[in-house]
Amino acid sequence: DIQMTQSPSTLSASVGDRVSITCRASQSISSWLAWYQQKPGKAPKLLIYKASSLESGVPSRFSGSGSGTEFTLTISSLQPDDFATYYCQQYNSYSLTFGGGTKVEIK
Amino acid sequence: EVQLLESGGGLVQPGGSLRLSCTASGFTFSSYAMSWVRQAPGKGLEWVSVISGSGGTIYYADSVKGRSTISRDNSKNTVYLQMNSLRAEDMAVYYCAKERIILGASHFDYWGQGTLVTVSS
Repeated sequence: DIQMTQSPSTLSASVGDRVSITCRASQSISSWLAWYQQKPGKAPKLLIYKASSLESGVPSRFSGSGSGTEFTLTISSLQPDDFATYYCQQYNSYSLTFGGGTKVEIK
Repeated sequence: EVQLLESGGGLVQPGGSLRLSCTASGFTFSSYAMSWVRQAPGKGLEWVSVISGSGGTIYYADSVKGRSTISRDNSKNTVYLQMNSLRAEDMAVYYCAKERIILGASHFDYWGQGTLVTVSS
């Protein structure tokens, strides 16, 4: 199975900060990577797919980049609604796998 | 509007069985693969199983292989997960999720609200 490693596991930031989360795959997954946001008690929400495509309705402050084995989710200016946990997911092949998550906390 | 509604969770003893259901609406159900994804309390997301739109292709995570069976009834717009020989480590919120890509592995564009499975004596 392809292993997905996210860093950092926790990130403390302030409103207005630019933040980046990294996801590394144990082997090349081309651009078959998605990013999700999850808030406590809620289902995950799709933000980015195919590494850099913004899901409809998602604010443009979210962006994704990367290919192969290294990927980044960037929030250009953190808003109060963005404090949540973020997961990457590879869909290069089954078994589908997720990163361990990055919790974005208020500094 | 796409909706996914899970049911069937609850308290079960170790070694017991449970069948989860997920009823879908708002899209052509038979065209899309459906997955189950779980989340143990305070932990991350773990993909469990997928079934193709026709039901002809199925995959399982190693953690549930041999103990779980995924199936679907396209006439009822429902996907099922039969779980047997349940263990403490199976305790989690189970989400059903719609895959966006029709052929091949995919990301998930819609999720249900989840159903909690508690394994305890």
